[in-house]
Amino acid sequence: EAQVTQNPRYLITVTGKKLTVTCSQNMNHEYMSWYRQDPGLGLRQIYYSMNVEVTDKGDVPEGYKVSRKEKRNFPLILESPSPNQTSLYFCASSQDRVYGYTFGSGTRLTVV
Amino acid sequence: QQQVKQSPQSLIVQKGGISIINCAYENTAFDYFPWYQQFPGKGPALLIAIRPDVSEKKEGRFTISFNKSAKQFSLHIMDSQPGDSATYFCAARKGYSTLTFGKGTMLLVSP
Repeated sequence: EAQVTQNPRYLITVTGKKLTVTCSQNMNHEYMSWYRQDPGLGLRQIYYSMNVEVTDKGDVPEGYKVSRKEKRNFPLILESPSPNQTSLYFCASSQDRVYGYTFGSGTRLTVV
Repeated sequence: QQQVKQSPQSLIVQKGGISIINCAYENTAFDYFPWYQQFPGKGPALLIAIRPDVSEKKEGRFTISFNKSAKQFSLHIMDSQPGDSATYFCAARKGYSTLTFGKGTMLLVSP
C-alpha cells in the first residue's frame, strides 16, 4: 500500500530533550515536506526537500532541523524542544505538482 | 503575511444542501490549487485540484470554481451528506516545492 509513515503517533517530552520524528514513504517520491497544524492557524510548512541532500526552509523553520540522506526518509529533528513546539505534525510527499501531496497520519507532540 | 485566505472558519449545512467554501490568494505565481479534506485523527487527503487555465473542475459532488482575475477559488459540495463533515483546506502551490494552506473550514452537515 502506498503510504507515508510517521513515528511515533504520540509523544510527550520535556523541554530541552532532543527528539526525532521519523517519516518514510514507499512511493519513490522526490518531494517531501513537514507541516505543523495548530488550531486557528491551519497547516504551516516547516521544511521541505526536493530531492536527496536538497532541503529548504518553509514558513516556520525556527527550532527544527531536517535531513534527506535517502530518498524515502525525511526525519524532523527538534534539538531543544520548547512548549511552543507542542503541535500536530504531518509529513507529506509528492511525485510532482500534478498529483499533490500524500500526508502521513500525524504525530501529536506535547512538550512540557 | 497570509498568502491564502479561507472563509468561513466553520459552516453548518443541512443534509442535501450545498456547502460553499471560499479562498483568495495574493501571489500570482501560484499555479496549482488543491483542496484537502481532513477527518479527525487523520492526515489531510487530496480531494480535488485545479490549474489556473481552467475555470471549473467537477468530480462527483465536488466542484472547484476558479476566478483568475479576482484571484479567488471556491469549493462547492452538492447534495452535502453527514459523511462530508470534516475540515477542508484550500491550498496553493508555486513550482514544485511550496504548498501554502488556508486556515481551514470545519464543515458540519446536519442529518
